[in-house]
Order: sequence, then C-alpha cells, then structure tokens
Amino acid sequence: DVKVTQSSRYLVKRTGEKVFLECVQDMDHENMFWYRQDPGLGLRLIYFSYDVKMKEKGDIPEGYSVSREKKERFSLILESASTNQTSMYLCASSLSQASNQPQHFGDGTRLSIL
Amino acid sequence: QKEVEQNSGPLSVPEGAIASLNCTYSDRGSQSFFWYRQYSGKSPELIMSIYSNGDKEDGRFTAQLNKASQYVSLLIRDSQPSDSATYLCARRANAGNMLTFGGGTRLMVKP
Repeated sequence: DVKVTQSSRYLVKRTGEKVFLECVQDMDHENMFWYRQDPGLGLRLIYFSYDVKMKEKGDIPEGYSVSREKKERFSLILESASTNQTSMYLCASSLSQASNQPQHFGDGTRLSIL
Repeated sequence: QKEVEQNSGPLSVPEGAIASLNCTYSDRGSQSFFWYRQYSGKSPELIMSIYSNGDKEDGRFTAQLNKASQYVSLLIRDSQPSDSATYLCARRANAGNMLTFGGGTRLMVKP
C-alpha cells in the first residue's frame, strides 16, 4: 500500500511565523502535490513537483513556496503565515506522468494561524 | 463554468438502495477520471478510476463514463451507513499530471 505521511495532524502558529509542512512518501513516486481544502472551495492545488528539485505552481501559489531536495520528501513553506492561510493542507503523490495513475493522499494537516 | 461540477447535496438514500452520484466536466481534453471518498475530518481515499467510455465495476461500486456527454457517475449498490461521506470527482487533462477536483457530493445513507 502507498503510504503518504504528513508530519503533523494539527498545528497552531502565529501570524508572521515561517511555517514548514512536511510530507514523505515511501513508494518511490515521481510526483508530489500540495493542496489546501476549505469549506465551499473544495481542493485547490498550491504547488506540485514531478522530480527532485523541480516545482510547478498550481492554482493558488501566492504566499507559499516548496522544496523537494529528495524524491521522497516534499515540503510546503509558508514564508510569513497569515490568518487566511488557516486551512486543511493535504499532500498527495502519484507514481508517474501516466494519465491513469491516481494520486494518493496523506492524512492532512489542519493548520490554524492565530 | 467550473471545470468539474458536482451537486453538493446532501444526497440522502435509505440503506440498501442504490446511490447515484454525478459529475460533469467542461474540458473535452480530459482523459482520466477518479472518484474519491472523504469522511469528515479525513483525507480523500481513492475508490475508482475510469478512462474509457462505458462502465467499470468494482464490488458494490460502478463508475460510468460518457465522454460525448462529458459526464462521469458513480453508482453505489446496497448502500450502507458506512458509505456516508463526501464523494469527490476528479479529472486529469490530456497533458500533465494535475487533477482538477469537483466540490464533492455529500452522501447520507440512512438506516
């Protein structure tokens, strides 16, 4: 089974802090993704990566950056956290670029910015 | 028009009935489609994928794809209270690896 592990289930930070969300997958997947999920807005893609040190902007990259130094790890960084970044953050991975490869999700991190 | 549209529900069905969940999409270049189930407070869990026109069955679940009409549906036979969740439809375009998700349909199965 695919295992996507996010470092924290719940996180509380303060406005202006630099926040790191970590995600690790153990199936040698090429692609990794970061989403946020908000009531009424659904799942929105923040960033994704299809290879080590490669990154692509998703639909809502503003206020975020990412890092992928190793294939199994994809980090989401909130450079200066703001209250409108309070959300559920979901990491996902998929095997390859093949169109029939599904994405598998981690358990999510519920982040609150005070 | 949203790229992937779902009725938000809730869709309420009695236990043992067939639940029918529908999804429409706007991009004719969409190639692959996925259904995810998400329990409250949990992350999405893959149920089925489909990429050819027609039906695909897996246990109590059947996915149906009609590319000409640009819709994909999920049927759940013999619905159980444990099927109560939000069901997300997602599509992948012809190129790239990004998924676009619908807003989800909340299903309630009443005993």
